[in-house]
Amino acid sequence: DVQMTQSPSTLSASVGDRVTITCRASQSVDYWLAWYQQKPGIAPKLLIYKASSLESGVPSRFSGSGSGTEFTLTINSLQPDDFATYYCQHYSGYSRTFGQGTKVEV
Amino acid sequence: QITLKESGPTLVKPTQTLTLTCTFSGFSLSADGVAVGWIRQPPGKALDWLALIFWDDDKFYNSFLKSRLTITKDTSKNQVVLTMTNMDPLDTGTYYCAHSSPEGSFDVWGQGTMVTVSS
Repeated sequence: DVQMTQSPSTLSASVGDRVTITCRASQSVDYWLAWYQQKPGIAPKLLIYKASSLESGVPSRFSGSGSGTEFTLTINSLQPDDFATYYCQHYSGYSRTFGQGTKVEV
Repeated sequence: QITLKESGPTLVKPTQTLTLTCTFSGFSLSADGVAVGWIRQPPGKALDWLALIFWDDDKFYNSFLKSRLTITKDTSKNQVVLTMTNMDPLDTGTYYCAHSSPEGSFDVWGQGTMVTVSS
């Protein structure tokens, strides 16, 4: 199975900061990569699909980039509602592996 | 509007088999490219993909858990069932089902159901 590695595991930031999270795949997944946001006790929410497409209703301060094995989620001007854990997930081939998560905290 | 809801036991004993049902509305699992997946999350830990079933009955499984998992669908009832055998306390966690559009990402999730494995 393709393995997904996120960095950093934890990120300390302030409101208004620009935040970048990286996700690396153990082999190429082309652009079949999604990003999710999860808050405690709540199901994950899709933010980005196909590496860079913004899901409907998601604020434009969220953006994704990359292809192959290296991907980035960027949050421009971090808002109070953005403090959460973020996961990448590939969906190529026969598996759907998630990264280990990045917690964005104050 | 697509909705999904998980149901099943909240407590199972070690070695028992867990059966979870995902009941959905707002889409058909007969439509081209549509799939439903199961994902779990141990307390305080990361998401762990388990299985995926497609409109054409194709099935994908987490290779580490494949021997313990079975996913099936009942299109007429709008349900997907996941069974996991030989449950262990390490399988404790919240179990989610999610809709996968033809594009492939999990765009709508159920609320999740907490399962505790304990004697």
